Amino acid sequence: DAGVIQSPRHEVTEMGQEVTLRCKPISGHNSLFWYRQTMMRGLELLIYFNNNVPIDDSGMPEDRFSAKMPNASFSTLKIQPSEPRDSAVYFCASSLGSLTEQYFGPGTRLTVT
Amino acid sequence: SQQGEEDPQALSIQEGENATMNCSYKTSINNLQWYRQNSGRGLVHLILIRSNEREKHSGRLRVTLDTSKKSSSLLITASRAADTASYFCATPMVTTGNQFYFGTGTSLTVIP
Repeated sequence: DAGVIQSPRHEVTEMGQEVTLRCKPISGHNSLFWYRQTMMRGLELLIYFNNNVPIDDSGMPEDRFSAKMPNASFSTLKIQPSEPRDSAVYFCASSLGSLTEQYFGPGTRLTVT
Repeated sequence: SQQGEEDPQALSIQEGENATMNCSYKTSINNLQWYRQNSGRGLVHLILIRSNEREKHSGRLRVTLDTSKKSSSLLITASRAADTASYFCATPMVTTGNQFYFGTGTSLTVIP
């Protein structure tokens, strides 16, 4: 299996632009997580899905962030409009069950100027 | 605040020595997991210990869990330069809709 796939690996954009991050979980996994990692705040859980349904989005910073999972093999995290403070590494992870070991993608490094 | 907190924040040892990292958490857990993150990479799962277990081994890794003290430790024996990474504990909190919290991490440097 190729593991969790994320794209793009790097994204540089200007403040105010829309950013879309993509994730393909491991086939057969039914839970998907989006995290944000910064030096200041560490690793934060933004949202997680179980069987394609958003279970808890309390970690989403504000309305500018939205996430979707239209099917079991694809999820997106969208930021609109982006701001410099959104600069971080965004990770997607998947697991079989929400309490078991998670498999992380390589991350998307987002820089908003 | 974060559910899990690792201690120490940074650790530097010589190759061949043992490295011990600690994790404290705040509420009831179903299990506790340890992950490793190499610089610029995603996290990699190392080991999972359930709430009814006290100790678990995997290769050079030894994890203990004390639910009465709400703490766990990760011991890496006979460390190697390749063990240089950040180590995180993670606790899924079943009481809050299965939120999954990662600690702040311990940065381990193994000097060859």
